[in-house]
Amino acid sequence: QKEVEQNSGPLSVPEGAIASLNCTYSDRGSQSFFWYRQYSGKSPELIMFIYSNGDKEDGRFTAQLNKASQYVSLLIRDSQPSDSATYLCAVNQDNYGQNFVFGPGTRLSVLP
Amino acid sequence: EPEVTQTPSHQVTQMGQEVILRCVPISNHLYFYWYRQILGQKVEFLVSFYNNEISEKSEIFDDQFSVERPDGSNFTLKIRSTKLEDSAMYFCASSEAVVQDRPYEQYFGPGTRLTVT
Repeated sequence: QKEVEQNSGPLSVPEGAIASLNCTYSDRGSQSFFWYRQYSGKSPELIMFIYSNGDKEDGRFTAQLNKASQYVSLLIRDSQPSDSATYLCAVNQDNYGQNFVFGPGTRLSVLP
Repeated sequence: EPEVTQTPSHQVTQMGQEVILRCVPISNHLYFYWYRQILGQKVEFLVSFYNNEISEKSEIFDDQFSVERPDGSNFTLKIRSTKLEDSAMYFCASSEAVVQDRPYEQYFGPGTRLTVT
């Protein structure tokens, strides 16, 4: 059974700091990896995806992927109180859509 | 900006009743999905739909569930005889057609909160 693991948190960081969110996955055949943000009572909102080893940057967000270690992370630079949410890691086995396996999410709290 | 829409936002039903949850995917998207999230738990895949047929489904998606694309815009999830444990947030998502060597993102609707009493 495919598993995606995340620390549940809460992860608390001061405003302006870097928040580091981690995710591990069990299926070595996984191809693409997505980070979603979910505010309480709302739907998942796509932040970014990555499918090649290394780093991918998009504004204040950087995704890092290490397929050998089956590990993907999300860094949020210059964290803002509005970044306080649950961050969901989603893993897809191939590049053709189909289902995502979601992790339980990490709750991030950015303190003003 | 195009978005996935869902109706109703909240549905209350009695155990044993049938419910239909409705979704309008993004107009140029060809893949459609239903996920559910029980309160406090993780998002779980139910079913994916492409070219007017189910392409993949999870163990959760048993005979009580069905999906349909009744026209060119709507995508529905039907639960035939609801149980208490069906109470959850149900999310519809959609994604574009396959592009070679590029994973494509799934965009989620706002969800329907289903409460079974």
